[in-house]
Amino acid sequence: DAEITQSPRHKITETGRQVTLACHQTWNHNNMFWYRQDLGHGLRLIHYSYGVQDTNKGEVSDGYSVSRSNTEDLPLTLESAASSQTSVYFCASSESSGIQETQYFGPGTRLLVL
Amino acid sequence: AQSVSQHNHHVILSEAASLELGCNYSYGGTVNLFWYVQYPGQHLQLLLKYFSGDPLVKGIKGFEAEFIKSKFSFNLRKPSVQWSDTAEYFCAVNAGDGGATNKLIFGTGTLLAVQP
Repeated sequence: DAEITQSPRHKITETGRQVTLACHQTWNHNNMFWYRQDLGHGLRLIHYSYGVQDTNKGEVSDGYSVSRSNTEDLPLTLESAASSQTSVYFCASSESSGIQETQYFGPGTRLLVL
Repeated sequence: AQSVSQHNHHVILSEAASLELGCNYSYGGTVNLFWYVQYPGQHLQLLLKYFSGDPLVKGIKGFEAEFIKSKFSFNLRKPSVQWSDTAEYFCAVNAGDGGATNKLIFGTGTLLAVQP
């Protein structure tokens, strides 16, 4: 079955380190998204991509970057991890960019920055 | 800017009680509205969505939501909850932003606990 996976599922890192969270989908979806989930804020959009070589900043993009070299993967990089980036990170994908399109979410990555 | 408000942060119900979770959004144009559910330890799943037509939308597991344009609301309802409905519920709106589309704005979520 097609799916969307994230790795690692849990990560502990130290302030200042570079961290990369992987997201892989097998639906061949064009659109991919990264969100962070924090208590009291719901999910907030970090970065998104509408296709290979396309990346865009979301609501809370500072300190994060993404790259899209193929359809299946959108890795999220924290350039220099900060304690404020402790969060649960969700990757999502959708088939097209229509506003009616459903986004399908991965299982999430819990990141703790010490 | 678009925003979504979920008024109830925590709701505790007994099994068989009726459920209504509030969701209001701010945007004057055409919107598409979604309710997602996150069961403990699981990823978000789509419960239901509205994009046009009948404002009463039926979703999975007996949930429904009513889009009331005049009130900018999209409340989620279920006539009789079960213990297995214990989860966090997120309302989301997608109004596009002219150029880019399919960007969801989420509410802060409502944590529902159903007591057996």
